[in-house]
Parts: sequence; structure tokens; C-alpha cells
Amino acid sequence: QKEVEQDPGPLSVPEGAIVSLNCTYSNSAFQYFMWYRQYSRKGPELLMYTYSSGNKEDGRFTAQVDKSSKYISLFIRDSQPSDSATYLCAPGYSSASKIIFGSGTRLSIRP
Amino acid sequence: GAGVSQSPRYKVAKRGQDVALRCDPISGHVSLFWYQQALGQGPEFLTYFQNEAQLDKSGLPSDRFFAERPEGSVSTLKIQRTQQEDSAVYLCASSLEQGRTEAFFGQGTRLTVV
Repeated sequence: QKEVEQDPGPLSVPEGAIVSLNCTYSNSAFQYFMWYRQYSRKGPELLMYTYSSGNKEDGRFTAQVDKSSKYISLFIRDSQPSDSATYLCAPGYSSASKIIFGSGTRLSIRP
Repeated sequence: GAGVSQSPRYKVAKRGQDVALRCDPISGHVSLFWYQQALGQGPEFLTYFQNEAQLDKSGLPSDRFFAERPEGSVSTLKIQRTQQEDSAVYLCASSLEQGRTEAFFGQGTRLTVV
């Protein structure tokens, strides 16, 4: 079993829709939870960063972590064509160094 | 520069050839990571440096892969006797502090082994 499972998509939604992206993970030692966005032929860029369970909002983006069910979500409101990218969930350890990435969900926002 | 810089951006190698991939992290960043990203997959961890010390190399797929960061700044990932399955994008990332997982990525080096 992979440490992080993520539906690869692709996911295509119309502009303005609410998008829900999800991951599950197996290691309860994860304490940091990140979402990275990766445009084609670019490196991943950090989008959201949360520690422990709960919600965090940043503009149109909301990250949600439920440690009891080992479930991570990213919600995008009022989606824009510029949001079209691959979204990678990435849990991390508190004291160790490496980030474990999901396989990424490819998202396309139709104008 | 302002970001993580990787060179070359693209590399084509004949099977069996040795390659060296370079990473210039953000100035002052203590931690440096190498990842391998196959087409359609998320990045897979290869190795991690804190300054010049290689603290974790558990992700290196074989002894053909070697990474160094001799002065705690620039890092080189070397692949000996390349094979077709080594074809991937190799990403470098750096972060300011030990244990901080807010890492900044370079654009990667796309390696194609023919």
C-alpha cells in the first residue's frame, strides 16, 4: 500500500465551479500537510500548508485535514482557467526531512 | 538568483553513459532535496542534505545514483551507467531550516535515456 493515495483524474470542471481534491494517507506520524500545484513542465510550488487537523483558508483555497480518518482535502472556490494544473497532496513528518507526494490530480477548468 | 536553479534543463544520454545534474539552491537554505518524477506520477524522494551532510539517501534506487553537496550549497546528482528506466524529471528543492517542510522547487532536469 502506498503511503499516500490520490485520484489521478483527470478532472474537468466548468469555470466558476467548486473543486474538491482529496487524498488519503496511511502513516499516522504525518503532522504537516501540504498541497503543491504543478503547471506543465514546471516544478511544484507550495499552495497551502497546514499543521494538524482542521481547516485553513487562503483566498479561494481551503485545505482540510482529518487526522482521525487520515483524509486530506483541498477545495477551490470560483475556479478559474488559471487553476488548471496538477495538484499534489504532500504530507510530511514533524522532525524528519522528506515530503511524501501523492501521484497528483490533473485538473482542467473549462472557460 | 531568487529561486532554485537546475541545469541542464534537458539532457539526452545514451544508455550506459554517466550524467551529472546540478542544483543551485536558494542562498542560505540549509536543506536540499532531490526527487525523481516519472511521467504522470508525483515526485519520489531520492535524498536529503542538511548543509553538506547527506542525512537520508533511502530513496536512491541503486548504487548507480550518487549525490553530493560538498560545501553545503550547490549539489550534484550523478547517475552512472544510465538505463532507460532512469528517464524522468529530476527535481531539486531547498528549504530554509532543518525539518521545515516548506520546500521550494526548481524547474527540474528532464533526463531521457536512449
